[in-house]
Amino acid sequence: TQLLEQSPQFLSIQEGENLTVYCNSSSVFSSLQWYRQEPGEGPVLLVTVVTGGEVKKLKRLTFQFGDARKDSSLHITAAQPGDTGLYLCAGGSGAGSYQLTFGKGTKLSVIP
Amino acid sequence: NAGVTQTPKFRVLKTGQSMTLLCAQDMNHEYMYWYRQDPGMGLRLIHYSVGEGTTAKGEVPDGYNVSRLKKQNFLLGLESAAPSQTSVYFCASNGPDRGFKDYGYTFGSGTRLTVV
Repeated sequence: TQLLEQSPQFLSIQEGENLTVYCNSSSVFSSLQWYRQEPGEGPVLLVTVVTGGEVKKLKRLTFQFGDARKDSSLHITAAQPGDTGLYLCAGGSGAGSYQLTFGKGTKLSVIP
Repeated sequence: NAGVTQTPKFRVLKTGQSMTLLCAQDMNHEYMYWYRQDPGMGLRLIHYSVGEGTTAKGEVPDGYNVSRLKKQNFLLGLESAAPSQTSVYFCASNGPDRGFKDYGYTFGSGTRLTVV
């Protein structure tokens, strides 16, 4: 069974601060995705990374896939209150399967 | 495009009652999923479907049944609701629409179910 561990579980920071959240596994994934979920809504896909060492940027968000494709990180620069939400990572096993394994998430609160 | 639409958005059931949650997607996705989300437990897969007419059990299938009679619809049924089924239910879909490596899920906005 593939598992994804996310840390920290909860994070509360002031507006303007930087932060990094982590997604780790002992298993290799063919791809890693990050989602953001706002209260009362479903998760929304932010990014997919597929190559070991890959770095993708989405405005103030930087996503990195580990070289061994077992872990990933999400770095937010100068956090804004609009970044508040639950951040989920999800791994794809590939090999013709489209099913994803989800982490339990990091709940981020950005205080104005 | 509407994406993934779930109905109803909220529901309160009494123990023992039955209900069906409907999920509809307009993206021609092959794969559809039902998850439940509980505090501290994350998203847990209930059932999924890899195509019209096919269904399979996920991590927590007990007490639920599903059907995929049409490609665009995936129904989740609770035959005899129990308080332990109080949760937020999400439907999601994906498929080989943009290439094998890019198969992110599109989620619905959820159904909040309370069983009393």
